Amino acid sequence: DTEVTQTPKHLVMGMTNKKSLKCEQHMGHRAMYWYKQKAKKPPELMFVYSYEKLSINESVPSRFSPECPNSSLLNLHLHALQPEDSALYLCASSHLAGGIPKETQYFGPGTRLLVL
Amino acid sequence: KNEVEQSPQNLTAQEGEFITINCSYSVGISALHWLQQHPGGGIVSLFMLSSGKKKHGRLIATINIQEKHSSLHITASHPRDSAVYICAVSTGNQFYFGTGTSLTVIP
Repeated sequence: DTEVTQTPKHLVMGMTNKKSLKCEQHMGHRAMYWYKQKAKKPPELMFVYSYEKLSINESVPSRFSPECPNSSLLNLHLHALQPEDSALYLCASSHLAGGIPKETQYFGPGTRLLVL
Repeated sequence: KNEVEQSPQNLTAQEGEFITINCSYSVGISALHWLQQHPGGGIVSLFMLSSGKKKHGRLIATINIQEKHSSLHITASHPRDSAVYICAVSTGNQFYFGTGTSLTVIP
C-alpha cells in the first residue's frame, strides 16, 4: 500500500464553521506533512510531524490546528477561516532515518477548500 | 530570492519532441526531487536523487551537485505528459519547492 488518502475531497465552509481535514497512510512513515497550495503556485509547507510530534510550524495562523493522533493519521482542524484560506490542502508522508526524511515524499490527492 | 529556481515557467511542445526542464538551487541539500502535478491536484513523485542520473521510462533526471543544477528530460513527449513539473530540494526535514514548469504537449 503506497497510498496517502485524504478526506474530504472537497469542502465548502463558512467563516464561523469548524471542520477537520483528515489524512491517512499505512506505509509506516513517521514523517507527515501539511501543505497549502494556491492556484498556479507551488505547495507551501505548513506543518511537519516527526514521530507524532510537531517538529515544524511555518508561522501558520492559529485558526489552523494540526493533530497527529497516531503514526498513521494526521488531522488539520479548521476554525474561523478567512476567504483567503481557500486553497488545495495537501498531505504527504515519508520515511525517517535519524530524524531526517529518507526516500521521497508521498502525496495525497488533496482537499480543495473553499471558504465563503 | 527563492531557494529553488526553475526554467522555463511555461513550455509548449509538439508530440514527440524532446523536452528539458531546468532547476537550480542555492542551499545545501540532502536530495533533489522532481514532482508531477496534473490539473485537479494530485502530486506524484517522479524522482529523488542526490547524485548522477536516474531513468524511468521516457523520463531522465540528472543532477550536478557542484553546479547545484538538475535537469528533467522527457523523450518522445506525449499529450499525457502535460502537467506541472515541480523541482523541490530537501535539506534536513525542510522541503523547498520551485515555482513549477507548466508543460503542454500538443498532438
